[in-house]
Amino acid sequence: DIQMTQSPSSVSASVGDRVTITCRASQGISSWLAWYQQKPGKAPKLLIYAASSLQSGVPSRFSGSGSGTDFTLTISSLQPEDFATYYCQQANSFLPKTFGQGTRLEIK
Amino acid sequence: QITLKESGPTLVKPTQTLTLTCTFSGFSLSTSGVGVGWIRQPPGKALEWLALIYWDDDKRYSPSLKSRLTITKDTSKNQVVLTMTNMDPVDTATYYCAHMSYGDYGDYFDYWGQGTLVTVSS
Repeated sequence: DIQMTQSPSSVSASVGDRVTITCRASQGISSWLAWYQQKPGKAPKLLIYAASSLQSGVPSRFSGSGSGTDFTLTISSLQPEDFATYYCQQANSFLPKTFGQGTRLEIK
Repeated sequence: QITLKESGPTLVKPTQTLTLTCTFSGFSLSTSGVGVGWIRQPPGKALEWLALIYWDDDKRYSPSLKSRLTITKDTSKNQVVLTMTNMDPVDTATYYCAHMSYGDYGDYFDYWGQGTLVTVSS
């Protein structure tokens, strides 16, 4: 089975900081990767698809990059509403839709 | 606009079968490139994908849970049903259904229901 490993598991940062979260797939998945944001008690929200495409309505401070096995989500200047948990998900149609274990972004 | 809502029991006993219904609006599951998936999240833990049904009735399951899951659709009612057999306390979780867009860029869950908490306890 494909495994998705995120790092770090948690990160503390301040408003205005630049933050990068990484996701590694156990096998190559080209650019078939998504990033989701989840706030406590809420459903996840799609931020990025196809590794680097911004979902409609998502602020441009969010960006994604990578292909193959290594991917990153970057938030260029943290805003108070960005403190949440972030998940990557592999999106290849022929593989299980595995999620990463999550990265909790906390206020420093 | 696209909306989805999960319904089903909030409490099930160990060994029982769980049946959850996802009722949606704003799209048709007979439209090419569309699917509906189920994802769960135990309290304080990560998301876990369970199952997916495509517009053409193709079905995919999590390998670790495949023997316990069945996903079906009723296009006329705009519903997708997930059954999970032999429930155990470790299956306690919030269960989400989500609209999936399928295309050249892969499969993405772009609209989610609010989730329903299912507790497994005797």
